Amino acid sequence: DSGVTQTPKHLITATGQRVTLRCSPRSGDLSVYWYQQSLDQGLQFLIQYYNGEERAKGNILERFSAQQFPDLHSELNLSSLELGDSALYFCASSVTSDSGNTIYFGEGSWLTVV
Amino acid sequence: EDQVTQSPEALRLQEGESSSLNCSYTVSGLRGLFWYRQDPGKGPEFLFTLYSAGEEKEKERLKATLTKKESFLHITAPKPEDSATYLCAVQSYNAGNNRKLIWGLGTSLAVNP
Repeated sequence: DSGVTQTPKHLITATGQRVTLRCSPRSGDLSVYWYQQSLDQGLQFLIQYYNGEERAKGNILERFSAQQFPDLHSELNLSSLELGDSALYFCASSVTSDSGNTIYFGEGSWLTVV
Repeated sequence: EDQVTQSPEALRLQEGESSSLNCSYTVSGLRGLFWYRQDPGKGPEFLFTLYSAGEEKEKERLKATLTKKESFLHITAPKPEDSATYLCAVQSYNAGNNRKLIWGLGTSLAVNP
């Protein structure tokens, strides 16, 4: 158990819909990262927050957005969903904003768009 | 461009048959190299961090080594429970404000009893 908690574990939704994925980082970690992993693809970095502020952006679509709240939990919002958005979405956390610091992953949220 | 390449893509071993996985990287300045293990449908589990050439770390049947161009994950006398995808990631010094890890695609290891 990494200490990073993600909900929901599984989600099935229709195209065009909007979903919210939630992440609680490890106790004491200030930085949260979101990753997408599709079948047969590697981990794709989406976005990083540190202590409530956006720190780095990766290959995140405009239809996707995220935020980190004062209690340090984070949410990833996915809207106008397409079939291709079906993937495992991981949240990870680390103590600092420098990702040279080890990051720890949650168990992921399986999103299926039908 | 910073790049991380893992080989082989897939590896099948017999129980007890030792082998090595490779992670080669091209970055402008190494900040750290990370190894993770990922089971199907699960989140990556942290294994090791290596920071400088010549550094080695061990954990049970796994040993990670680092040179200036690549890292090896040596698996000694593997067991079926070592079956997983092993991921390598590299952090570069010159990433500037773009503080993200560069991930390889992984090596899928299967150990047969």
